[in-house]
Amino acid sequence: AQRVTQPEKLLSVFKGAPVELKCNYSYSGSPELFWYVQYSRQRLQLLLRHISRESIKGFTADLNKGETSFHLKKPFAQEEDSAMYYCALGTGGGNKLTFGTGTQLKVEL
Amino acid sequence: DTGVSQDPRHKITKRGQNVTFRCDPISEHNRLYWYRQTLGQGPEFLTYFQNEAQLEKSRLLSDRFSAERPKGSFSTLEIQRTEQGDSAMYLCASSPTAYEQYFGPGTRLTVT
Repeated sequence: AQRVTQPEKLLSVFKGAPVELKCNYSYSGSPELFWYVQYSRQRLQLLLRHISRESIKGFTADLNKGETSFHLKKPFAQEEDSAMYYCALGTGGGNKLTFGTGTQLKVEL
Repeated sequence: DTGVSQDPRHKITKRGQNVTFRCDPISEHNRLYWYRQTLGQGPEFLTYFQNEAQLEKSRLLSDRFSAERPKGSFSTLEIQRTEQGDSAMYLCASSPTAYEQYFGPGTRLTVT
């Protein structure tokens, strides 16, 4: 069965510091990985997906099949990055998403 | 607002009662999903529709849960004989393709 692990419930960094949110997955098939973000009092929204290999709001994520990881990185944290971040694994052609438990990122001034 | 909408936003019900939630997807999206989220957890997949066809249903969904999407437009999720364990946020999402799901604001259910 598929599984997504986000080991940190809370990650606190200072503004301007690098950020790395960890995500590991377990899946026997070919994985499709996503990062979703939920800002305070807003709905869950897609941040980025591994197949597009794009950078959104300065965030990037590389799929490492050997380590079964899809860590989210940003070189310089900004205050507006404070939010809940969920890593998700897509199966069934990307229709079914399995989410991790989420990491709350807090960027301090 | 052209995003996914859900109604009601909050529902308080007594144990044993039936409840029904509605989701209106973005109009051109043919795929619709339901998820459930409890405190401290990520959303858990419940079911998925493509147009009016329900193509996948999670084993998490007991016989008390039923979802419909008549005419491939809005969807309803009904929970019969609610239990306290059903208390959660119920999220709906829609998408034009498999890869990018747009979420609604959710319906928070409290079973007393």
